[in-house]
Amino acid sequence: QLQLQESGPGLVKPSETLSLTCTVSGGSISSRNYYWGWIRQPPGKGLEWIGSIYYTGSTYSEPSLKSRLTISVDTSQKHFSLKMNSVTAADTAVYYCARGASPFLSYFDLWGQGTLVTVSS
Amino acid sequence: DIQMTQSPSTLSASVGDRVTITCRASQSISSWLAWYQQKPGKAPKLLIYKASSLESGVPSRFSGSGSGTEFTLTISSLQPDDFASYYCQHYNSYPYSFGQGTKLEIK
Repeated sequence: QLQLQESGPGLVKPSETLSLTCTVSGGSISSRNYYWGWIRQPPGKGLEWIGSIYYTGSTYSEPSLKSRLTISVDTSQKHFSLKMNSVTAADTAVYYCARGASPFLSYFDLWGQGTLVTVSS
Repeated sequence: DIQMTQSPSTLSASVGDRVTITCRASQSISSWLAWYQQKPGKAPKLLIYKASSLESGVPSRFSGSGSGTEFTLTISSLQPDDFASYYCQHYNSYPYSFGQGTKLEIK
């Protein structure tokens, strides 16, 4: 059964770059049937979509975050990644990776467990 | 961009109650709406997609309805395991957005 697992530093200093990886196991990241996404949730708050990527590298991002984001995919390593630069305390959140259930526009049917990233000096 | 508004923000109910949560879109999204359940410290879990399609393995007491700009999630008879937070999400176009959430509490 396909599983997703986020990994990366739990603490990032203000103005630095947040880097996370989502490893896909038990299935193919190169499937034409799915998109892959990043979603975050600040402590005690709601969900915010960050961006999505197809195995070809085609990406879509939340406009308010786009200038700070790089979302990439490495099919040989079976993972996709998120980089967010110039972070502030407002970027403190649990970051989830998830599978979009169909090509292009979709809901998310499988989620990683999430990883807490704290932005603090 | 499409904004999603959920109501109520908090809902108090008892085991066995029938409850309804509403989600409104700022413009028509056809039926491109999903509902998720989230428990504390856990990832969201997909319940409903395409407004009314039940995800495999989700109990039939959960149902979704609506199209265009107004949608509802109904739980026909609350069970203890259902006390959680619920979120709607549109996927009509990029950028996606979620409702602000509804916390379902035990009365």
